[in-house]
Amino acid sequence: NAGVTQTPKFRILKIGQSMTLQCTQDMNHNYMYWYRQDPGMGLKLIYYSVGAGITDKGEVPNGYNVSRSTTEDFPLRLELAAPSQTSVYFCASSADPYNEQFFGPGTRLTVL
Amino acid sequence: EDKVVQSPLSLVVHEGDTVTLNCSYEVTNFRSLLWYKQEKKAPTFLFMLTSSGIEKKSGRLSSILDKKELFSILNITATQTGDSAIYLCAVDPTYNTDKLIFGTGTRLQVFP
Repeated sequence: NAGVTQTPKFRILKIGQSMTLQCTQDMNHNYMYWYRQDPGMGLKLIYYSVGAGITDKGEVPNGYNVSRSTTEDFPLRLELAAPSQTSVYFCASSADPYNEQFFGPGTRLTVL
Repeated sequence: EDKVVQSPLSLVVHEGDTVTLNCSYEVTNFRSLLWYKQEKKAPTFLFMLTSSGIEKKSGRLSSILDKKELFSILNITATQTGDSAIYLCAVDPTYNTDKLIFGTGTRLQVFP
């Protein structure tokens, strides 16, 4: 099993550009999550999904959108990139909310 | 290959016990080590450690880093049932990549 994979590893965007961060898991997990990690801060939940077709906002959803058309994939969309979105983004999955989350390797995004 | 190893994988104690969680790491470069408490859906940031031998403390929780021996411990004294969670250790390997390498976590269960 590859676990949780994320692409790209790095990306630099200009203000106002859009992009999609890809996340795929092959563990048949129902729960998937997107976090952002700012320097010196803990993980902050952006969006999460409890299964295909179901998504919900986390702590910091503004400026982002997600979709969950399949169990495996949970892409995160930035429509109008802003410098405040410069961060490292982690995708994670779990079988249920009470078990450990498996994290992807992260995507470093810089918005200039 | 950079890696973070946590032990034990699982721990069951009674209220009032003191527990010590371990995190060892092997990374090419090191910037900081972070501890998280994971309950339900979102990990909660606990500590960031960058210097050896300086204990960080928050209530009944404390942590210390040994950069020579490449490990950190998280102590919880007078445990309570609310301490039941998965405790994640993560290492920030280099300033340039800014990515976190997570351990698999230690599942702590505290019974009354």
